[in-house]
Amino acid sequence: RKEVEQDPGPFNVPEGATVAFNCTYSNSASQSFFWYRQDCRKEPKLLMSVYSSGNEDGRFTAQLNRASQYISLLIRDSKLSDSATYLCVAGGTSYDKVIFGPGTSLSVIP
Amino acid sequence: EAEVAQSPRYKITEKSQAVAFWCDPISGHATLYWYRQILGQGPELLVQFQDESVVDDSQLPKDRFSAERLKGVDSTLKIQPAELGDSAMYLCASSLVGGAADTQYFGPGTRLTVL
Repeated sequence: RKEVEQDPGPFNVPEGATVAFNCTYSNSASQSFFWYRQDCRKEPKLLMSVYSSGNEDGRFTAQLNRASQYISLLIRDSKLSDSATYLCVAGGTSYDKVIFGPGTSLSVIP
Repeated sequence: EAEVAQSPRYKITEKSQAVAFWCDPISGHATLYWYRQILGQGPELLVQFQDESVVDDSQLPKDRFSAERLKGVDSTLKIQPAELGDSAMYLCASSLVGGAADTQYFGPGTRLTVL
């Protein structure tokens, strides 16, 4: 089993739709979680950290479920500019290592 | 806004040749990472430096890959000899202090094609 797993998609949604991505991680000791965004042929950029209490940044909401070992990202009112690959990141086996998931591809269509 | 610099942006080489990539992290960042990203996959850590010391190179194919960060600032990743399977994007990232909770800032990457 891979340490961080994501549904690769692609998710094709119309503008204005709400879309949710899930990610599962295998290391129950993981303490740090993030969502990164990667545009086509560009570098990953931090979208948001994921806190135990959940967090929201505008149209984006991230949640953590430690019992089931998954994190989620909810995007409301999708924009064309949200089209990208979303990478889930979880702390790895050593305190200072993180593992990137394979990414979920999102296409928002007019 | 400070950025991570990488060069070259693109490299085409023939198998069995040597290639080298350079990375200059954000000024003051103690931790530097080299990742390899194959199309359709997430970045895979190759090596992590804390200042000039290697703290994790468990996934670095040491028979052909080497990395150094001599003065704890910029870094070089070398592949010798290159193989067809090395074709990928090589990403450099840096973070202020390291640790799993620290945000990583990525450079634009070097896209390597091995023919």
